[in-house]
Formats: sequence, structure tokens, C-alpha cells
Amino acid sequence: AQSVAQPEDQVNVAEGNPLTVKCTYSVSGNPYLFWYVQYPNRGLQFLLKYITGDNLVKGSYGFEAEFNKSQTSFHLKKPSALVSDSALYFCAVSLNSGYSTLTFGKGTMLLVSP
Amino acid sequence: SQTIHQWPATLVQPVGSPLSLECTVEGTSNPNLYWYRQAAGRGLQLLFYSVGIGQISSEVPQNLSASRPQDRQFILSSKKLLLSDSGFYLCAWSTLAGARNIQYFGAGTRLSVL
Repeated sequence: AQSVAQPEDQVNVAEGNPLTVKCTYSVSGNPYLFWYVQYPNRGLQFLLKYITGDNLVKGSYGFEAEFNKSQTSFHLKKPSALVSDSALYFCAVSLNSGYSTLTFGKGTMLLVSP
Repeated sequence: SQTIHQWPATLVQPVGSPLSLECTVEGTSNPNLYWYRQAAGRGLQLLFYSVGIGQISSEVPQNLSASRPQDRQFILSSKKLLLSDSGFYLCAWSTLAGARNIQYFGAGTRLSVL
């Protein structure tokens, strides 16, 4: 079985400050990891994914995420937050083997204040 | 380019009425298709996925069913809606079977069962 934990329901950050949204995962094997963003009443948009290789993955809108195998984490980061980054962020995991569906975390609301 | 369409965008239905939500994908062939439900603006629950016409896998036993009558058409149905069926329903597609593939989401249907 695979699972994702996003320990923070909400993250508050001031515009211009760095942001981190936390994600830890559990799979019985090597993971594929994803971050998605959801704006109000919209579908999810893909931000970035980790498959293999470099532990630091760069994605859309200046976001990046760092894969840490020993800590089973895949935290989302951005050096300088924008008010327009305010949205709901989902971490997701699937198993690196055959066909496996995505398992999503419960989401973290990011609020960036002006 | 590929696009995914979901309709209707919003739906208000009485308890006990039937349901039919439709999802279609353009610009690709043989997509994997998925139905998710998002309750109370948070975590996604995978309901069904399909790797081909007439092939449906159910993740959670419930009051809903899914069908795939054509390659790029995925339908979510119910014979009799329950109050607990209220939520935000999202359709998604991916290009290939396999855990590494990005899922792309439609804009969603907000269902209110009264």
C-alpha cells in the first residue's frame, strides 16, 4: 500500500519570502512523486514530478521540490512567494513498478499575504 | 494539443435521482482515464480508472458506476443519488499505463445532492 502525508493544513507566508510545503510518503519500493496545484473551483494542474536522477526537481512557476530518500520526503519549495501562488497544493505518489495509480495527500492550503 | 472536457460544470440534483457526468479527451488516443471525487474542498479519492474501452476498475465500493463506451469518453453514473454523493468530481487522463505518467485533469463538476 502507498500513502502520502501532508502534515500542514495551511501554510502562511508573506510575499517575497521563501515557502515550503511539506510532503512525506510511504511505498513498498521506489516511488514516483508529483506535485499538483488547485485553484478555487478548478481542476488540478501538474507542477513537477520526480522519477529518477537528480534529487532536486524544477517545475512550473518557479517551484522546485527536493527528493530525500532517507527521510521519505518530497517538500515543495519556492525562493520567493507571490500572492498569486495562493492555492491548494497536493502531493501524490505512485509505485515505481508496473501499473500503479496515484495516491494523493489531503492537500495543503498556501496563503501568501501581500 | 490535448484537452479534456467535463460537463456539466455544476449540477444540483434531488436525492434518489439518477446521475450522468461525462468526460471526453481530445488530441490523444488510448488514454488512461480516471474519475476522482473531492469532498469538502480537500483530499482526492480515486473512484474508477480505465485502461481501455469497456475496461473499468473500481477503487471504492459505492453508489456510483463508470463506463467507457468509446476510446476517449468516460461516464460516471448513478441510478439513485445519495446525500453523501455531493462533492467535486474530477476526470483525468494520462497517456500510457504506468506509474510515471502525468495525469491531466478536467475543470471538474460540482455536484450538490439535496
